[in-house]
Amino acid sequence: EAGVAQSPRYKIIEKRQSVAFWCNPISGHATLYWYQQILGQGPKLLIQFQNNGVVDDSQLPKDRFSAERLKGVDSTLKIQPAKLEDSAVYLCASSPNRGSVKTQYFGPGTRLLVL
Amino acid sequence: KQEVTQIPAALSVPEGENLVLNCSFTDSAIYNLQWFRQDPGKGLTSLLLIQSSQREQTSGRLNASLDKSSGRSTLYIAASQPGDSATYLCAVPGTSYGKLTFGQGTILTVHP
Repeated sequence: EAGVAQSPRYKIIEKRQSVAFWCNPISGHATLYWYQQILGQGPKLLIQFQNNGVVDDSQLPKDRFSAERLKGVDSTLKIQPAKLEDSAVYLCASSPNRGSVKTQYFGPGTRLLVL
Repeated sequence: KQEVTQIPAALSVPEGENLVLNCSFTDSAIYNLQWFRQDPGKGLTSLLLIQSSQREQTSGRLNASLDKSSGRSTLYIAASQPGDSATYLCAVPGTSYGKLTFGQGTILTVHP
């Protein structure tokens, strides 16, 4: 079974530029999560999708971050414009259903550096 | 608001030692607790998931315990090996929807 795929793996941009990350979850997984992990901290949830609908985006900085999950499969996370404090690893995860009893499977992450 | 704390922040031990990583959470109304491993430059790998009705879970040399009433979990690693070197994270879901709140992690180094 293929795991969660993310691209790109690394990205370096200057502040005020825009950037987009892509995630392909495990086939058949209905729930998709985007987490932000700043160096030295645990991951923090940015947004959670159930199929193509948003379940939780309470911690997403909506003035600069946006995310979509078209057709309930792949997802894209965008930052526009980027700030220095957005430097972090962006992790995508998926789980088979909405319930918490199922573990989440994480992708390798996209490491973003904003200069 | 759920807060998760892990102690120690870093740990360095010689190979073969048994060790304990600690995790505490402020809201005891949890559905489960998970321990993850994170290797440098890689994503998270789930190690153990303990349901709220369970007291412990074991997988190989790993044993995780859960005490909901005191808001604590421990991860016990027996006979540590250099390959165990990684960051260990604990996480709890805030609701039944699966949103995870993570601790800041414990960086473990096992030297030969």
